[in-house]
Amino acid sequence: KNEVEQSPQNLTAQEGEFITINCSYSVGISALHWLQQHPGGGIVSLFMLSSGKKKHGRLIATINIQEKHSSLHITASHPRDSAVYICAAVSGFGNEKLTFGTGTRLTIIP
Amino acid sequence: EAQVTQNPRYLITVTGKKLTVTCSQNMNHEYMSWYRQDPGLGLRQIYYSMNVEVTDKGDVPEGYKVSRKEKRNFPLILESPSPNQTSLYFCASSSLTSGNYEQYFGPGTRLTVT
Repeated sequence: KNEVEQSPQNLTAQEGEFITINCSYSVGISALHWLQQHPGGGIVSLFMLSSGKKKHGRLIATINIQEKHSSLHITASHPRDSAVYICAAVSGFGNEKLTFGTGTRLTIIP
Repeated sequence: EAQVTQNPRYLITVTGKKLTVTCSQNMNHEYMSWYRQDPGLGLRQIYYSMNVEVTDKGDVPEGYKVSRKEKRNFPLILESPSPNQTSLYFCASSSLTSGNYEQYFGPGTRLTVT
């Protein structure tokens, strides 16, 4: 059983919809990353958070350390948001060891 | 421009022929790491380095070597590649001193071992 689980694995939505992607982890962590992998393969870091909530544009990430759960939300989704979203749990200090979820493939239909 | 570069981007090789994938960053980051990505398995960490001359194993280190002689470079060495090392490889770096631990990823190296 993977230590980091993401749901759903695949998500198709209409443009404008509010999107939620979930990440649960069973290991003790110091922080959690959310990454975006474009259809071309490149990976971009969206957020790293260890508590509470972070917001960047239409993206919001939350984490509940006690419940070992994080969510990534996209408001007013757009076709350019179509990508694979990956969470990664960080153990240790300063990104020592990362354990990744298998990703959520998001498709936004115009 | 702040970036992580990897070379080569694509490589087809044969079993047993030693190869090196280079990774270089120009952001003076302390932390560097190698990952492989396989269908159905996602990203997995191979090795990471917290600073020069400090390296440690990730989840899948078997068959790989790394070195960190300079802060900017973190090459991945496959001494005797095998077909099960066919994969997409990513290098990444981040700062450990700025308080921003965002990871910057290289463009990836697609390796095929026949």
